[in-house]
Amino acid sequence: AQSVSQHNHHVILSEAASLELGCNYSYGGTVNLFWYVQYPGQHLQLLLKYFSGDPLVKGIKGFEAEFIKSKFSFNLRKPSVQWSDTAEYFCAVNNKAAGNKLTFGGGTRVLVKP
Amino acid sequence: NAGVTQTPKFRVLKTGQSMTLLCAQDMNHEYMYWYRQDPGMGLRLIHYSVGEGTTAKGEVPDGYNVSRLKKQNFLLGLESAAPSQTSVYFCASVSGGAGEYEQYFGPGTRLTVT
Repeated sequence: AQSVSQHNHHVILSEAASLELGCNYSYGGTVNLFWYVQYPGQHLQLLLKYFSGDPLVKGIKGFEAEFIKSKFSFNLRKPSVQWSDTAEYFCAVNNKAAGNKLTFGGGTRVLVKP
Repeated sequence: NAGVTQTPKFRVLKTGQSMTLLCAQDMNHEYMYWYRQDPGMGLRLIHYSVGEGTTAKGEVPDGYNVSRLKKQNFLLGLESAAPSQTSVYFCASVSGGAGEYEQYFGPGTRLTVT
């Protein structure tokens, strides 16, 4: 069974600091990888996705992520965070062979202090 | 397009009561999913459907039933609610077309079982 690990449960930053959230997955087959964001009181929104091609993918709101196949990792980065980036971030892996099911990591709560 | 909608948004049940959560999508998506979100555990898949008339168990199916009688609707039922089912429930859908793997999420239903 596939699994997704997010190593940081809580991150506290000041505005303009850089952010990097780790994500590792275990699955031997071809994967699609996603980062979702959930702002307080809202539903999940897609930040970015990797299907194939360039392993460095750019998403909305200045976020990017790098897929490193040899490390089974898909870390999320943002060079300079804003207070509005306060949210919970979820990494997810898609299993195309089984109904396109997504397996989520446990989430990382990010608090950006103004 | 309304996207993915969920009814109701909030509900409080007493132990042993039953209820049905409705998920509707107007994007003609083939695949639909029900997740529950609990603190620190990310989203866990309850049941899913790969097409009208089909359902399958996810990671945490016990205590829930589902039906997909119409392509656009996916119902989640709790026959006898328990406090452990207090959670936020999210529905999602995926196109199912070639190369289309992004899941679109509904706004969530916050359920409290007392």
